[in-house]
Amino acid sequence: QITLKESGPPLLKPTETLTLTCTFSGFSLTTSGVGVGWIRQPPGKALEWLAMIYWDDDKHYSPGLKNRLTITKDSSSNQVVLTITNLDLVDTATYYCAQRPVGIRGTAFANWGQGTLVSVSS
Amino acid sequence: SYDLTQPPSVSVSPGQTATITCSGDKLGNKHVCWYQQRPDQPPVMVMYQDSKRPSGIPERFSGSNAGNTATLTISRAQSVDEADYYCQSYDSNTVVFGGGTKLTVL
Repeated sequence: QITLKESGPPLLKPTETLTLTCTFSGFSLTTSGVGVGWIRQPPGKALEWLAMIYWDDDKHYSPGLKNRLTITKDSSSNQVVLTITNLDLVDTATYYCAQRPVGIRGTAFANWGQGTLVSVSS
Repeated sequence: SYDLTQPPSVSVSPGQTATITCSGDKLGNKHVCWYQQRPDQPPVMVMYQDSKRPSGIPERFSGSNAGNTATLTISRAQSVDEADYYCQSYDSNTVVFGGGTKLTVL
């Protein structure tokens, strides 16, 4: 059974840095083709992709947020970490991590965490 | 940047067929997947590689992708299908989501 769980602070202030951790089980991020991505969803709005990291440490970022994002992995601990710098009120959202499995062409997220709500407020 | 466009809302009567579209430039040359999201729940993948159903997704769900439009079709719609649906594709190392479609079954 594949599970993912996001963790992070629920409340931050503008200009602060957000660090989110995705802890997963049931798959390995050392398996060729596997990836983990971060997606967020502001309240009442659409999904927005943020970043992706693959088994070979290849990393991709949303072009509009690239300068503020850093994604890393610790395969031995089954964790993926996303940092977002210089937070703004518009970064308030539920943040999801999700797994890109082997055997799917293109990129698709077959398994998702429950999400963690992060609010940015002064 | 690459954009995917979905209608904001679609309505269907129970037992009828719902069609949700997703449009993008030469989308038929890319792989598309679809997610269902019920209120206060994470998204669930209901279609991948245009027309493949993950395990556990009813056969009532089908997909296609050609030209500039991908389509998610839900046959014999049920109240349990009422949710937001998002298409998603991939272009130049960038994952792109559509704006979402709220499906109402009434």
